[in-house]
Amino acid sequence: GAGVSQSPSNKVTEKGKDVELRCDPISGHTALYWYRQSLGQGLEFLIYFQGNSAPDKSGLPSDRFSAERTGGSVSTLTIQRTQQEDSAVYLCASSPKRGATYEQYFGPGTRLTVT
Amino acid sequence: GENVEQHPSTLSVQEGDSAVIKCTYSDSASNYFPWYKQELGKRPQLIIDIRSNVGEKKDQRIAVTLNKTAKHFSLHITETQPEDSAVYFCAASNLGQFYFGTGTSLTVIP
Repeated sequence: GAGVSQSPSNKVTEKGKDVELRCDPISGHTALYWYRQSLGQGLEFLIYFQGNSAPDKSGLPSDRFSAERTGGSVSTLTIQRTQQEDSAVYLCASSPKRGATYEQYFGPGTRLTVT
Repeated sequence: GENVEQHPSTLSVQEGDSAVIKCTYSDSASNYFPWYKQELGKRPQLIIDIRSNVGEKKDQRIAVTLNKTAKHFSLHITETQPEDSAVYFCAASNLGQFYFGTGTSLTVIP
């Protein structure tokens, strides 16, 4: 079946502009995650949605970052007033829930470059 | 909260040799431990996982072991091949939240 998809694949924006990144999870997956990965670095957790529960926003680095998930499916990550340090690959992942554990599948990422 | 440590950060092995990557975690409530392989410019791909009710799992050349008492788990790759070269991430999960290690860059030398 179709995997997690993200759009755009690449985004170049000027400092100070707002950007929106989209994630389409695997159909039926109840959990959705956003991560940030700078070049050569590990995975930095940003936000986690689980069903209809309030999202875990503990990883968002500043109030310029926000995310929403509509209808329990598609999610949008918004970065306002972008800064050069926001340049990174933004990865989305989704999970079904199997028993007490969650298997996580990643999308291809959006490479954001802030000039 | 959970803290996952991963070692080594870089690893070079000769083709055909084995590679071992180790992770430790701090929260005894963590119950799911996946391993991801990330090739350059690609997304992380789940390669093997283990749940807390199992001590070892094997899939062809890769295996994962879990020691719940000591709170550590390891990835073992046997008969390494050049295509195994990548960055490997471990993670510990509880209630749907994931905590990742910092990654191991594995290079297999032909």
